[in-house]
Amino acid sequence: GNSVTQMEGPVTLSEEAFLTINCTYTATGYPSLFWYVQYPGEGLQLLLKATKADDKGSNKGFEATYRKETTSFHLEKGSVQVSDSAVYFCALSEMDSNYQLIWGAGTKLIIKP
Amino acid sequence: DTAVSQTPKYLVTQMGNDKSIKCEQNLGHDTMYWYKQDSKKFLKIMFSYNNKELIINETVPNRFSPKSPDKAHLNLHINSLELGDSAVYFCASSLYGQGNTGELFFGEGSRLTVL
Repeated sequence: GNSVTQMEGPVTLSEEAFLTINCTYTATGYPSLFWYVQYPGEGLQLLLKATKADDKGSNKGFEATYRKETTSFHLEKGSVQVSDSAVYFCALSEMDSNYQLIWGAGTKLIIKP
Repeated sequence: DTAVSQTPKYLVTQMGNDKSIKCEQNLGHDTMYWYKQDSKKFLKIMFSYNNKELIINETVPNRFSPKSPDKAHLNLHINSLELGDSAVYFCASSLYGQGNTGELFFGEGSRLTVL
């Protein structure tokens, strides 16, 4: 079946550090890939997405590239801020599963000033 | 205007009680969901309704019963609450099928604590 695997957290970085959160997936077809972010005390919200191989999603300085050859969708940011502290979820959806989202376990990111 | 709103935001109750959480969305979506998030932030889908019809019913105890009076509302009723039901419950909505771009809109969550 389809699945999403994320690096385990928490990930602790200093402000202005470079961020990578790894995400790999298994899927039977051609999924769309997503990163959601959950700020403390809030619900999840879509951060970025990519719908086909080699697409790059970007938003708020975050980027992720859909790599079919490595089945990965790693999240990156060049210079993190304290306000980026949150839990980040990688997810996929595809037609074979009627577009239901399959979620990773979430990675908690802590940014220290 | 809040797109997906759930009430109450906090719920503290004793084991064995029955409680309900309400959810409403004003986005015109036809699909609504209930998710459970545990203390480790793991997210698990419980139910999904499309236009008032149940389309996903994961392995959830019968004590949990969703009700969708119309496509803008999805309520969750829990009978005979147990300690393990303590979690944050999220309501979400989206378009259905090929209209579903994968973007779910979440409420702020309802934190349930069972004592």
